[in-house]
Amino acid sequence: GAGVSQSPSNKVTEKGKDVELRCDPISGHTALYWYRQSLGQGLEFLIYFQGNSAPDKSGLPSDRFSAERTGGSVSTLTIQRTQQEDSAVYLCASSLEGAGGGGTQYFGPGTRLTVL
Amino acid sequence: GDSVTQMEGPVTLSEEAFLTINCTYTATGYPSLFWYVQYPGEGLQLLLKATKADDKGSNKGFEATYRKETTSFHLEKGSVQVSDSAVYFCALRRNAGKSTFGDGTTLTVKP
Repeated sequence: GAGVSQSPSNKVTEKGKDVELRCDPISGHTALYWYRQSLGQGLEFLIYFQGNSAPDKSGLPSDRFSAERTGGSVSTLTIQRTQQEDSAVYLCASSLEGAGGGGTQYFGPGTRLTVL
Repeated sequence: GDSVTQMEGPVTLSEEAFLTINCTYTATGYPSLFWYVQYPGEGLQLLLKATKADDKGSNKGFEATYRKETTSFHLEKGSVQVSDSAVYFCALRRNAGKSTFGDGTTLTVKP
């Protein structure tokens, strides 16, 4: 597609349930990022995938959060046993990284997660 | 660790007023600096960037200059329009990898 797409656009779940959020990056982009944007806050980094390298998971807030990227393309962010504090907009971005890095990040529209 | 501090909002201006949104950063080395904009109901998009000291990024009448001596990257526009109403985020990034964002500044421009 022309840009980064995410699904679903909105997700309402009950506390304790598991959720999966999907990101389709721009075709050919080597890097993929997940961020979280809580109400009135900036973006909080969660995880970063670059090619075949081990992902940078340093931003994941707890072991309830995990992500995978299959075939170097689509990524799924999974939150297990959701808590109310997980409510936020989850943003995905992708970029084409050369040897020196610094490619422009393109963001998807986000998934708004509400945990009741 | 890296951090970005930007001017707290909300900022309300009249059309054609001059805009400044302050942004300062803390980082080792020489990160690239960015301004992103999020229009109502839309996704985050890159507004402008600068990759080294003294570089000036510009787009859509907005400008920001990478000032290493003051660790700043203030966003300016000489004459704002109602259509500039949005949330603006300052960010830094080292080469590949994650970006570190400020908390965002909401700008409202009134006719």
